[in-house]
Amino acid sequence: SAVISQKPSRDICQRGTSLTIQCQVDSQVTMMFWYRQQPGQSLTLIATANQGSEATYESGFVIDKFPISRPNLTFSTLTVSNMSPEDSSIYLCSIPGATNEKLFFGSGTQLSVL
Amino acid sequence: QKEVEQNSGPLSVPEGAIASLNCTYSDRVSQSFFWYRQYSGKSPELIMSIYSNGDKEDGRFTAQLNKASQYVSLLIRDSQPSDSATYLCAVNIKAAGNKLTFGGGTRVLVKP
Repeated sequence: SAVISQKPSRDICQRGTSLTIQCQVDSQVTMMFWYRQQPGQSLTLIATANQGSEATYESGFVIDKFPISRPNLTFSTLTVSNMSPEDSSIYLCSIPGATNEKLFFGSGTQLSVL
Repeated sequence: QKEVEQNSGPLSVPEGAIASLNCTYSDRVSQSFFWYRQYSGKSPELIMSIYSNGDKEDGRFTAQLNKASQYVSLLIRDSQPSDSATYLCAVNIKAAGNKLTFGGGTRVLVKP
């Protein structure tokens, strides 16, 4: 299976600042997904990152807060903008398996906002 | 009703015993079901996939699927302390655009 590298692995940020998370895959993939996992909660899909077009956001998530870039088929970034303590979560990038059903996850970014 | 439901636990089992985890889902036409293991502070790791009714075994893990009753379960035989983790059930929900929808997870604690 593909290797998914995500960085930073963790960060502590101040309220009102922004953080960009990078996700690099060692092979070309059509779709990449960004998930959020709030403390003690399950995974919630933020958006699907599409190469060559704007990301598709899930209900409750907006581009101004979570801008996403997908410059090529191996790389994507998620920015968490104007952060507040409520944004403290694990952020995960993921790619689908060969049959586009299962997902494989990067190592995650543990974000704490003070 | 949540689309994918799990008992949050913790499920406490003695070492060597069988841990039994259950998951129910709302979308009757779902076809793909997955179990992920997540250690504290780590990302989810896929451990089982199941697509047809019945049992599927892989090492100490057995996944069981019953589409008529809309539940999928995971059995962990000969539980080890290293199995202590949160187990996430995930289902392809057609109503959600065939996206993978996760349950809240069951925390398992295996006591030596």
